[in-house]
Amino acid sequence: QSALTQPASVSGSPGQSIIISCTGTSSDVGDYNYVSWYEQHPGKAPKLIIYNVNNRPSGVSNRFSGSKSGNTASLTISGLQAEDEADYYCSSYTSTNTLVFGGGTKLAVL
Amino acid sequence: QLQLQESGSGLVKPSQTLSLTCAVSGGSISSGDYSWSWIRQPPGKGLEWIGYIYHSGITYYNPSLKSRVTISVDRSKNQFSLKLSSVSAADTAVYYCARGRVAAGYFDYWGQGTLVTVSS
Repeated sequence: QSALTQPASVSGSPGQSIIISCTGTSSDVGDYNYVSWYEQHPGKAPKLIIYNVNNRPSGVSNRFSGSKSGNTASLTISGLQAEDEADYYCSSYTSTNTLVFGGGTKLAVL
Repeated sequence: QLQLQESGSGLVKPSQTLSLTCAVSGGSISSGDYSWSWIRQPPGKGLEWIGYIYHSGITYYNPSLKSRVTISVDRSKNQFSLKLSSVSAADTAVYYCARGRVAAGYFDYWGQGTLVTVSS
């Protein structure tokens, strides 16, 4: 199985909105509404921020939102804050009952 | 509050077997709603899913690692384990254990991670 495709890096200014894309295939992202997103700060374990395409776990800011169209899922972060500077990973369930991650996107808040 | 804690050897010689255990506290590993995964991250690189196990013992593995991976569960100790055979330097990584949601696959609780270095 191939890793999902994410941009290597994105950037934005405080207060702005950014979108991170996550492209898979009809055997993973396109086949299930089981896309999740994780935020990882340096030296820390990843943290779940979106599950099942567009659901936020309790305690996660409503500045984070998710969507999906066809084989591409997206994470939107609105009202960028300095603390949002981190690596972001998408993940999807697949048609063979396995899981696959994206390559990760480094977000810089300028 | 559920907690996961990885333990095991931090240094493994090439061609040997990497062994790690994840102790689960604050919840039962026997719940049918969850799967229990291993995920790794080579230094400076992205996340790679290794495999998961259900409380029943059913396992699913990353096809690229399947021939070398074994994940097992010990319900009496509320823990699960990873064995990765024939390791090489490419297997050097931080290894995480995590709880996943059955049939949806998202990981809601993670261990802190443990660095395993493969070197002679």
